[in-house]
Amino acid sequence: EVQLVESGGGLVKPGGSLRLSCAASGFTFSDFDMNWVRQAPGKGLEWVSSISGDSIYIYYADSVKGRFTISRDNAKNSVYLQMNSLRPEDTAVYYCARADAVAVFGFWGQGTLISVSS
Amino acid sequence: EIVLTQSPATLSLSPGERATLSCRASQSVNTYLAWYQQKPGQAPRLLIYDASNRATGIPARFSGSGSGTDFTLTISSLEPEDFAVYYCQQRSNWPPLTFGGGTKVEIK
Repeated sequence: EVQLVESGGGLVKPGGSLRLSCAASGFTFSDFDMNWVRQAPGKGLEWVSSISGDSIYIYYADSVKGRFTISRDNAKNSVYLQMNSLRPEDTAVYYCARADAVAVFGFWGQGTLISVSS
Repeated sequence: EIVLTQSPATLSLSPGERATLSCRASQSVNTYLAWYQQKPGQAPRLLIYDASNRATGIPARFSGSGSGTDFTLTISSLEPEDFAVYYCQQRSNWPPLTFGGGTKVEIK
């Protein structure tokens, strides 16, 4: 059974940092591109970042470029999102999503909530 | 950046009725368009990819059509579990990957 389990969410002050983790199981992790997608409270979906299976190709949304860093450890079947210089507008549920084809999000984790507030 | 505009924002229908949801792209995305369903408190679920291909396990009452800039998701006969928010997403020209603003299908 495919599983994606996010962790690392919580309350952080503006300017602070958090590191999200997504643990994958039930599939050959290194064969798939992985992504982070977020959803602000009551709002729609926003793509945040993508990383290829071999970590060669990495992309970011302009809204997080220079502040967030995506990475993965195929030995640990995990993908990460290091979030620095957090802003109130980064408040959202962050989903880890597997790309079943290029940039098609075929499987999603349950999400982890990040709240940025003083 | 390709902007996706979904309409209507809300669709009020009864179980058994047909639902027709629209997604329009600001420039051609060929057929590189996907549809997702999201229920309250849940993660999105992939329904349709590449405009018309149903994802694994998706019932046949869901169908997608279109190419270029105009796309449609049709639910042929609404079941109670189909009342949810639906998003389109393009992968034609990225980054960035973009989503539409969503259409909420609610019970009339």
